[in-house]
Amino acid sequence: NAGVMQNPRHLVRRRGQEARLRCSPMKGHSHVYWYRQLPEEGLKFMVYLQKENIIDESGMPKERFSAEFPKEGPSILRIQQVVRGDSAAYFCASSPDKAEAFFGQGTRLTVV
Amino acid sequence: DQQVKQNSPSLSVQEGRISILNCDYTNSMFDYFLWYKKYPAEGPTFLISISSIKDKNEDGRFTVFLNKSAKHLSLHIVPSQPGDSAVYFCAASAAGTYKYIFGTGTRLKVLA
Repeated sequence: NAGVMQNPRHLVRRRGQEARLRCSPMKGHSHVYWYRQLPEEGLKFMVYLQKENIIDESGMPKERFSAEFPKEGPSILRIQQVVRGDSAAYFCASSPDKAEAFFGQGTRLTVV
Repeated sequence: DQQVKQNSPSLSVQEGRISILNCDYTNSMFDYFLWYKKYPAEGPTFLISISSIKDKNEDGRFTVFLNKSAKHLSLHIVPSQPGDSAVYFCAASAAGTYKYIFGTGTRLKVLA
């Protein structure tokens, strides 16, 4: 049973480009979470999804950010028109229920 | 508004001694608490959890204590080992939700 898979591990984008971060949850896990970690800070909740539904997006910026978890395929976190302040580590986690969430290795986004 | 607080950014402990990491929370609706360990450039790894119906949970060298009246939890590691050196995050979720709120982390250094 593979763990939570995130790709790419590192992503470099120029200002104004789009960033797409992918997350494949653990087998059997229907709950997916996205967190962002800025340098020297903790993990900030962004969005919680179940299959095809966004349950809680209270931590996600209203503009430029979107997330999806389609019926087939990975969850995608999309950042449009990236700015330098979007540079961070983005972590995805999954859980089967209200239990411990398992995290992926993260995607480190650098905006140049 | 930081609902989960880890007031000690760092802690140094001698190998073989006890490490005590503390976490305070403000939201009385939190009913599930977790501790994660994180190494640089990796995703957080789940360590141990506790439900609000308990006041203690033990797993090997790791014990979590929950004091609901004080809204405080702590992680005890005994005996501490150099491999325990990492950043430790506590997290909490409220009843009826799956969103985890993380503290800012405590960097533990175990000295050989």
